[in-house]
Amino acid sequence: QITLKESGPTLVKPTQTLTLTCTFSGFSLTTSGVSVVWIRQPPGKALEWLALIYWDDDKSYGPSLKSRLTITKDTSKNQVVLTMTNMDPVDTATYYCAHRLAANDALDIWGQGTMVTVSS
Amino acid sequence: QSALTQPASVSGSPGQSITISCTGTISDVGAYNYVSWYQQHPGKAPKLVIYEVSNRPSGVSNRFSGSKSGNTASLTISGLQAEDEADYYCSSYTSSSTSVFGGGSKLTVL
Repeated sequence: QITLKESGPTLVKPTQTLTLTCTFSGFSLTTSGVSVVWIRQPPGKALEWLALIYWDDDKSYGPSLKSRLTITKDTSKNQVVLTMTNMDPVDTATYYCAHRLAANDALDIWGQGTMVTVSS
Repeated sequence: QSALTQPASVSGSPGQSITISCTGTISDVGAYNYVSWYQQHPGKAPKLVIYEVSNRPSGVSNRFSGSKSGNTASLTISGLQAEDEADYYCSSYTSSSTSVFGGGSKLTVL
């Protein structure tokens, strides 16, 4: 059974760097084809695709936030980490991580999400 | 890339069928059969209901179906039930090796 859980600060100040951790079980990020995706959703708004990391450490970033994002993995801890620099109040959102099916880009299992508020 | 275009809201009565459209471009929906649909109830994480345009994950009702024509994908829910009331999002793989979501559609069961 695949599970994912996001963790990190609930409140950050403007200009600070956000670091979120996705801890997962039920699969390995060393298995060919496996990948994990980060998505966010501001309150009352739509989902936004942020970043993806593959088993082979290949990475992709959404174009609008590419300059501010870094995604990494720690296979020994079964974790994926997302960092976002220069946080702004508009970055207030629920941040989700999800397991991505290798063959078809679908996100079949999602974490519960973690709400991050950006405020001074 | 820009978000895929979905109607902001759709509605139907119990037992009826509704269709939600998802319009992209030749660089995403039109280029790949990697279109997925997600259902999201308030305060919950999204749930995958359709993948690869028209495939249902195990456990998803066969009242959910998907299709695609050109740059537009569609989700149809037949035999509407009260529990179907939720937000629905489409997504597509893109030529930039990323993915993009739609703006979401709120389904109201009257």
